Amino acid sequence: NAGVTQTPKFRILKIGQSMTLQCTQDMNHNYMYWYRQDPGMGLKLIYYSVGAGITDKGEVPNGYNVSRSTTEDFPLRLELAAPSQTSVYFCASTLLLGLAGVYTDTQYFGPGTRLTVL
Amino acid sequence: GQQLNQSPQSMFIQEGEDVSMNCTSSSIFNTWLWYKQDPGEGPVLLIALYKAGELTSNGRLTAQFGITRKDSFLNISASIPSDVGIYFCAITQGGSEKLVFGKGMKLTVNP
Repeated sequence: NAGVTQTPKFRILKIGQSMTLQCTQDMNHNYMYWYRQDPGMGLKLIYYSVGAGITDKGEVPNGYNVSRSTTEDFPLRLELAAPSQTSVYFCASTLLLGLAGVYTDTQYFGPGTRLTVL
Repeated sequence: GQQLNQSPQSMFIQEGEDVSMNCTSSSIFNTWLWYKQDPGEGPVLLIALYKAGELTSNGRLTAQFGITRKDSFLNISASIPSDVGIYFCAITQGGSEKLVFGKGMKLTVNP
């Protein structure tokens, strides 16, 4: 298994440009997440998905959009890039089964995408 | 949003020394997690704690889930150069296992 893969690894955008950060997992995990990590800070949740066709906002969703058309893929879209979106973006996935939120796996993180908006 | 207070923010130690770090919150949680992030990589889970008072080891790492359910600590014994990285505490929030992270503790180990 490749685990969680993210592309691109690095990207520089100009203010107002748009781009899509790709995330794919091959572990058949149902839950997927997007986090951003600013320098000297922990990760903050942008959006998450509990399965294909279902997405929901996290702590810092403004300026981003997501979709989940398949179990494997969870792309993150930036429509109008702003300097405040300069960050490292991590995608993660986990397998959540059963009732009452009992999960049988941990969150696996991708290697990250380092985005700079100038 | 939920705040996790992680301390210290950084440590510089000599190889072979032990190191401790902790995480506190004003709220009660059912799960405490400790992650390590190597430079240029995503976080990797080190230890997961599910029960108040639980003490769990993973090699040279030991973590405890505080009795009050508002804190946790992580110890690393006999540090080695590959222990260098950023250590995060985290809790899970809500039924979708959303993670909330502390700000991290940057560890430097001098050989």
